[in-house]
Amino acid sequence: ETAVFQTPNYHVTQVGNEVSFNCKQTLGHDTMYWYKQDSKKLLKIMFSYNNKQLIVNETVPRRFSPQSSDKAHLNLRIKSVEPEDSAVYLCASSARSSGNTLYFGEGSRLIVV
Amino acid sequence: TQTVSQSDAHVTVFEGDSVELRCNYSYGGSIYLSWYIQHHGRGLQFLLKYYSGNPVVQGVNGFEAEFSKSDSSFHLRKASVHWSDSAVYFCAVSAYNNNAPRFGAGTKLTVKP
Repeated sequence: ETAVFQTPNYHVTQVGNEVSFNCKQTLGHDTMYWYKQDSKKLLKIMFSYNNKQLIVNETVPRRFSPQSSDKAHLNLRIKSVEPEDSAVYLCASSARSSGNTLYFGEGSRLIVV
Repeated sequence: TQTVSQSDAHVTVFEGDSVELRCNYSYGGSIYLSWYIQHHGRGLQFLLKYYSGNPVVQGVNGFEAEFSKSDSSFHLRKASVHWSDSAVYFCAVSAYNNNAPRFGAGTKLTVKP
């Protein structure tokens, strides 16, 4: 049962364009995350956010930024895409009471040409 | 900083065989250890988790994992695999202070008929 919803599922764009991925969770969780999964399936945490704190992985380029309107939404904006940004971006959420068990969306695949 | 390693990139077995997928971690404090499954083109799904107590934890679909402090391991096992178990399996570690889980490189399990 999917309770973390990501849009769009797939996006092709040119170098230098701006892209946004949306994520919404209906689980009532207090923390949301964005992970990047590369072509070798490696997962890297980009951001984690709850209503009190944004934690940024220091290796994430500054062209990436999270945007949240409330605890159920965490969008990902890429200001000017580069070819190395081609990947699958996975949104997840968790509740402190469940000990960091992550619930993932289906992913948003970005292809930069 | 916690780290997690999965030594086998690929494992191939026949339907009905048993399988063990290996995971080793490095961390000095209290941690959660988890396994997730990712079918092709999908997001990750939670299988099971260990924090304390009985070192053998049961998960969904007949999977179990055993924690070993002496070996710093959390290997995943299944007694009899089905073709639908073919997927990529990820081991994850997170600190009890609720930071974002870190994932191993994944093990691709192929179950042949």
